[in-house]
Amino acid sequence: GQSLEQPSEVTAVEGAIVQINCTYQTSGFYGLSWYQQHDGGAPTFLSYNGLDGLEETGRFSSFLSRSDSYGYLLLQELQMKDSASYFCAVRNTGRRALTFGSGTRLQVQP
Amino acid sequence: KAGVTQTPRYLIKTRGQQVTLSCSPISGHRSVSWYQQTPGQGLQFLFEYFSETQRNKGNFPGRFSGRQFSNSRSEMNVSTLELGDSALYLCASSPGEGLREKLFFGSGTQLSVL
Repeated sequence: GQSLEQPSEVTAVEGAIVQINCTYQTSGFYGLSWYQQHDGGAPTFLSYNGLDGLEETGRFSSFLSRSDSYGYLLLQELQMKDSASYFCAVRNTGRRALTFGSGTRLQVQP
Repeated sequence: KAGVTQTPRYLIKTRGQQVTLSCSPISGHRSVSWYQQTPGQGLQFLFEYFSETQRNKGNFPGRFSGRQFSNSRSEMNVSTLELGDSALYLCASSPGEGLREKLFFGSGTQLSVL
């Protein structure tokens, strides 16, 4: 089977930097994805790491270490609109379907 | 391009009834996946269809079923509804079979079972 662990809640202030960690256990592995979901909204894709290292997209960066079965999402220059839930997800070689973690709720305070 | 469209947006049913939810993927997308989302449980995978064929199925009872039509539109059906089926049901589409493809989600159907 597969499982993903991420913190349930993180709080940070506007302008700060926050890191949301994700550890996973899966047999076979294609890559780690991150999705953002605002309350009442649809999840939207943020980033994908297929290889070890850092991927940067504007204020958001994502990192993967396959040897540690670990990844994180880094959000810089936090804005109030970044308050949302963030999900990591993996697709393994056997099942192919995308499996999501239970999500991290980020609250950005003024 | 229009996004993923799910209908209806809200649905209230009673125990024992059945329900059908509809999903229209982004034009040109051939893969459709369904997820159940409940508070604190994240997104639980239900099934995935590609070109009218079910490719994957999650760990849900047989009361949950789905299908995909030749135009890639998909429906899921839940029979003999239980209180625990109350959830947000999300549909997602992607262009093809690529394992690195990102999913495009609809806004979901919020199902309440009374």
